[in-house]
Amino acid sequence: QKEVEQNSGPLSVPEGAIASLNCTYSDRVSQSFFWYRQYSGKSPELIMSIYSNGDKEDGRFTAQLNKASQYVSLLIRDSQPSDSATYLCAVNLDNYGQNFVFGPGTRLSVLP
Amino acid sequence: DGGITQSPKYLFRKEGQNVTLSCEQNLNHDAMYWYRQDPGQGLRLIYYSQIVNDFQKGDIAEGYSVSREKKESFPLTVTSAQKNPTAFYLCASSIARRGHPHTEAFFGQGTRLTVV
Repeated sequence: QKEVEQNSGPLSVPEGAIASLNCTYSDRVSQSFFWYRQYSGKSPELIMSIYSNGDKEDGRFTAQLNKASQYVSLLIRDSQPSDSATYLCAVNLDNYGQNFVFGPGTRLSVLP
Repeated sequence: DGGITQSPKYLFRKEGQNVTLSCEQNLNHDAMYWYRQDPGQGLRLIYYSQIVNDFQKGDIAEGYSVSREKKESFPLTVTSAQKNPTAFYLCASSIARRGHPHTEAFFGQGTRLTVV
């Protein structure tokens, strides 16, 4: 069973703080890793993708990947109330780019 | 504008009735997917299709059926065999070709189905 696990929420941080979201996956052949943000009642939107070990930064977001530990994380710096949403970790398992597995999501609340 | 269009946004089904959810994409993506999301839960895969006229069951296919007669379209039918269909249904698509592992899934706006 291929699984993606995320830290259970809800996670609450004060405005301006760093929010840290974690994800582990069970399948070592996983190729690509994604973070989606989902506002309540809306569909998921892609905010970060990462394919190689190390860090990838995009504005206030940093994705970190450690394939040896089967771990991927998302850091949100200077958290804003508009960042309050559920964050879904997704893993693409194969070379065809079509076998996605999603984690259960972590709900983040940024308190003003 | 390129994207994925789901319709309707809201759908009400009577007990014992079949209903069909529409999903159309103009992104020229090969693969299309249907997910179900229950309140406070993650996404569960119902069906996916890599190419026209071919599709595979996901984790929760029972009570659902799909077709893929055109590359752009992947409708989902929720049959009367699905005993608890009330949920948020999401359609997605992605490029799916050998040698392109780093492709993301793009989602439609979703259809919220309620049994009345």
